[in-house]
Amino acid sequence: DIQMTQSPSSLSASVGDRVTITCRASQSISRYLNWYQQKPGKAPELLIFAASSLQSGVPSRFSGSGSGTDFTLTISSLQPEDFATYYCQQSYGTSRTFGQGTKVEIK
Amino acid sequence: EVQLVESGGGLVQPGGSLRLSCAASGFTFSIYEMNWVRQAPGMGLEWVSYISSSGGTIYYADSVEGRFTISRDNAKNSLYLQMNSLRVEDTAVYYCARVLAAAGSPLDYWGQGTLVTVSS
Repeated sequence: DIQMTQSPSSLSASVGDRVTITCRASQSISRYLNWYQQKPGKAPELLIFAASSLQSGVPSRFSGSGSGTDFTLTISSLQPEDFATYYCQQSYGTSRTFGQGTKVEIK
Repeated sequence: EVQLVESGGGLVQPGGSLRLSCAASGFTFSIYEMNWVRQAPGMGLEWVSYISSSGGTIYYADSVEGRFTISRDNAKNSLYLQMNSLRVEDTAVYYCARVLAAAGSPLDYWGQGTLVTVSS
């Protein structure tokens, strides 16, 4: 099975900061990589699909990049509503593995 | 409005069974692929199972293979997860999620989740 590793596991940042989260696959997954945001007690929400496509309704401060094994989610200017946990997910093989998550906290 | 509403969760003893349901509305259910994803208390997301729009293609995570069965009834706009031989480690909130028909097969709509607790 394809393993997904996110880093860091958590980070502290201030409103207005640029935040970068990375996700590494254990083998090449082309661009079959999606990003989700989850707030406490809520279901996850889709942010980015196919590595860099912004889901409808998602603010443009969110962007994704990468291909193969290394991917990045960037928040260009962190807003108060962005404090949450972020997950990457691969959909290359028959499994749909998630990364372990990155919790973005207020500094 | 797209809605996914899970039901069927509850408390069950180890070795027991439960059947989860997911009622879909607001979209043409029969043309969408679907997934089950779970989240243990305080933990991350774990993909559980996938089913194609017709039900002809099914995948499972290794952790549930042979114990869980995904199915769907397109006439009833419903997705199911039959869970047998439940273990303590199956305790989680179970979400059903729709697959967006786009590159990457992302999950674009999720239900609110139903809690399954496996405990003696």
